[in-house]
Amino acid sequence: GAVVSQHPSWVICKSGTSVKIECRSLDFQATTMFWYRQFPKQSLMLMATSNEGSKATYEQGVEKDKFLINHASLTLSTLTVTSAHPEDSSFYICSARRASGGPHEQFFGPGTRLTVL
Amino acid sequence: DAKTTQPTSMDCAEGRAANLPCNHSTISGNEYVYWYRQIHSQGPQYIIHGLKNNETNEMASLIITEDRKSSTLILPHATLRDTAVYYCIVRVTGANSKLTFGKGITLSVRP
Repeated sequence: GAVVSQHPSWVICKSGTSVKIECRSLDFQATTMFWYRQFPKQSLMLMATSNEGSKATYEQGVEKDKFLINHASLTLSTLTVTSAHPEDSSFYICSARRASGGPHEQFFGPGTRLTVL
Repeated sequence: DAKTTQPTSMDCAEGRAANLPCNHSTISGNEYVYWYRQIHSQGPQYIIHGLKNNETNEMASLIITEDRKSSTLILPHATLRDTAVYYCIVRVTGANSKLTFGKGITLSVRP
């Protein structure tokens, strides 16, 4: 099956710093990538949808200036949490949809656990 | 997208079939039923999807009622590694269609 990787798998940072999370589709090209956030004991919440070469579309209530998304190529999307605060501590998961496949083919990364001190 | 309702949790014995129900009474004609699962602290894993007909793959079977208002995911021989949160999602097709996760059902497989 298609593989999606995330880096780093976990990160601890100080309040006020920025953190970048990378999402890569390793063996396929992804026209669309999605970023989710998951708090403990809660479900995944979609943050934004990004298409290669265009601006991301953010879900209601998600601050686009705080969560910067760049989908620069068909295999890479990045999420930058700017000026992170403890309430941003969460499990961030990306997902990629295969360019050559249908909407059924959406694959998830292993997640990145962010802890902001 | 239509919403789904699932029981909060269920358990089953190892080696037995696990039948996970899902209600999606407001599903539209062009919406598919998807099942994903999430093992603790990992990303979701695709299991199966279907539109009208029953579907089977190496992981599970999906039974969709004739009126499409409910479905059941069947794990034929549950193992301890199947312990996870299982999400039933309905979604339209389309390039920018989204997977919206509900609370899911926590399946605990006991030895």
